[in-house]
Amino acid sequence: DGGITQSPKYLFRKEGQNVTLSCEQNLNHDAMYWYRQDPGQGLRLIYYSQIVNDFQKGDIAEGYSVSREKKESFPLTVTSAQKNPTAFYLCASSGTGVNEQFFGPGTRLTVL
Amino acid sequence: SQKIEQNSEALNIQEGKTATLTCNYTNYSPAYLQWYRQDPGRGPVFLLLIRENEKEKRKERLKVTFDTTLKQSLFHITASQPADSATYLCALDEKYSSASKIIFGSGTRLSIRP
Repeated sequence: DGGITQSPKYLFRKEGQNVTLSCEQNLNHDAMYWYRQDPGQGLRLIYYSQIVNDFQKGDIAEGYSVSREKKESFPLTVTSAQKNPTAFYLCASSGTGVNEQFFGPGTRLTVL
Repeated sequence: SQKIEQNSEALNIQEGKTATLTCNYTNYSPAYLQWYRQDPGRGPVFLLLIRENEKEKRKERLKVTFDTTLKQSLFHITASQPADSATYLCALDEKYSSASKIIFGSGTRLSIRP
């Protein structure tokens, strides 16, 4: 089955700890994205990558970091510098010349 | 900067009626506009894309219109069913961005009552 996987589905961390969210796709897509969604709000772009070994900041990149060492993988690290990390995190990908984005199931992060 | 407004947070209609959701943008006309469906606790799923030179697009019970004069897109679900209950997100491209970035609206939560 082709698609995007995110793990884990639920994640709990103590305040002050860094945490890494996984995102893997086997759709052979070049572009990958990380979004954050808060209750009753739309998706806000954190980081995106159009090609391996390259990524760009989105609208709310502060307190987050990413890497893109492989085409299939785009992990997101939520650092202790992120002031309000509790949220629903969504990873997406899109192919070259294709505008629609394919989303993973999301990871709900709760910082205690 | 571009802003997207979706007409209401929630819409509640009777089964069998047509649901109409509105998406307005404030600045430049996008090259294309997309609609996604999102169920609670899940990622959005792409439904339809309409380009700036298209007036209307259909897919089964779904219809999207795009009016660049009004800076508005309408999303219709005909013969609505309880299974259509979900949040619907409007998204449009960042026209002057070199990346394939899109901006999402905050969504309209649609409830279809039997």
